[in-house]
Amino acid sequence: GAGVSQSPSNKVTEKGKDVELRCDPISGHTALYWYRQSLGQGLEFLIYFQGNSAPDKSGLPSDRFSAERTGGSVSTLTIQRTQQEDSAVYLCASSLSGGGTDTQYFGPGTRLTVL
Amino acid sequence: EDQVTQSPEALRLQEGESSSLNCSYTVSGLRGLFWYRQDPGKGPEFLFTLYSAGEEKEKERLKATLTKKESFLHITAPKPEDSATYLCAVQAGGSNYKLTFGKGTLLTVNP
Repeated sequence: GAGVSQSPSNKVTEKGKDVELRCDPISGHTALYWYRQSLGQGLEFLIYFQGNSAPDKSGLPSDRFSAERTGGSVSTLTIQRTQQEDSAVYLCASSLSGGGTDTQYFGPGTRLTVL
Repeated sequence: EDQVTQSPEALRLQEGESSSLNCSYTVSGLRGLFWYRQDPGKGPEFLFTLYSAGEEKEKERLKATLTKKESFLHITAPKPEDSATYLCAVQAGGSNYKLTFGKGTLLTVNP
């Protein structure tokens, strides 16, 4: 079946511009997660959605970062006024229910480069 | 704060040369320990979940084991296609969802 999809696969932007990253979870998965993978670092948790609500936004690095999820499906991560330190691979994952030790299935990621 | 440390950072093996990767963790009440494989330019691919000390799981040439402080990923008679970065992550008892990842071990298997 179809896995988690993300778009665009690559995004190059200039410092100060806003960017939107999209995630399509596996059909039927109610939980959705965003992580960031910077060069030489482990995956860093950003935000978790259960349905359309985000009970945990604790990982968002600054108020320039925001995310929303509509219809319990597609999610968009928005970064405003991008900075060079925002350059990283942004990974989205989904899981069936978000409870217990649900397996999180990852998408291919969006590589963001801020010039 | 939950912490995961993986070693070595990189490992080169000859085809058929068995070895182990280590994942040491500090977590407030382990709910689960996860192993993922990540190929260049791709997202992590799920391999195993381990829940309690003493548990073992196997898949093809891979076997994952768990103690109260660390997990090992044993690779038996590896092939070049096993080359990838292997990631370890933990889920703490107080969280239903958040995974804390290590930085990974880059495995290269030469033919």
